[in-house]
Amino acid sequence: KAGVTQTPRYLIKTRGQQVTLSCSPISGHRSVSWYQQTPGQGLQFLFEYFSETQRNKGNFPGRFSGRQFSNSRSEMNVSTLELGDSALYLCASSALVGTNEKLFFGSGTQLSVL
Amino acid sequence: DQQVKQNSPSLSVQEGRISILNCDYTNSMFDYFLWYKKYPAEGPTFLISISSIKDKNEDGRFTVFLNKSAKHLSLHIVPSQPGDSAVYFCAASAQGGSEKLVFGKGMKLTVNP
Repeated sequence: KAGVTQTPRYLIKTRGQQVTLSCSPISGHRSVSWYQQTPGQGLQFLFEYFSETQRNKGNFPGRFSGRQFSNSRSEMNVSTLELGDSALYLCASSALVGTNEKLFFGSGTQLSVL
Repeated sequence: DQQVKQNSPSLSVQEGRISILNCDYTNSMFDYFLWYKKYPAEGPTFLISISSIKDKNEDGRFTVFLNKSAKHLSLHIVPSQPGDSAVYFCAASAQGGSEKLVFGKGMKLTVNP
């Protein structure tokens, strides 16, 4: 079974631009979560989608948004990029919501904002 | 406010010895705890978990201990191997895992041959 696939792996943008990251979950997984990892800050939760609906949202500004499609694939968008948005963005999928279901992570998209 | 704390950023141990990674939490509603391991340029991978109804869970060389009264959990790796060198994240969630996972900042473990 293929794992969680994130594209692109690396991205370089400049301040003020916007970016869209893509995530394909493990086949059959309907829940997709997004996390931001920065040095010294660990993994910070952005949002979770389940069946095309945002189920949970972290404490990030409205510049960060996401969506999920009917095939469970998800996209994350960041508008008006700032230097501080430089980070590794990780997508994770799980089969069920409401259980002790562990997350399966993709390799991430490394975003650099110049 | 950091609800899950990994106060030591790094740990270095000799191959064959025990590695002990610690994690503290502040939210008494957390009832499910996990450890993830992350290699450079890869996403975190699930290692081991424990529910609050237990105080110990073992999987091969990996054992997680939970002390609810102290709001503390630890991961023991015995014996440590060079391939265990990675960043380890502690994570917790509430309501039986239905709430989002909250991660610590991670600890870099280095196992020296």
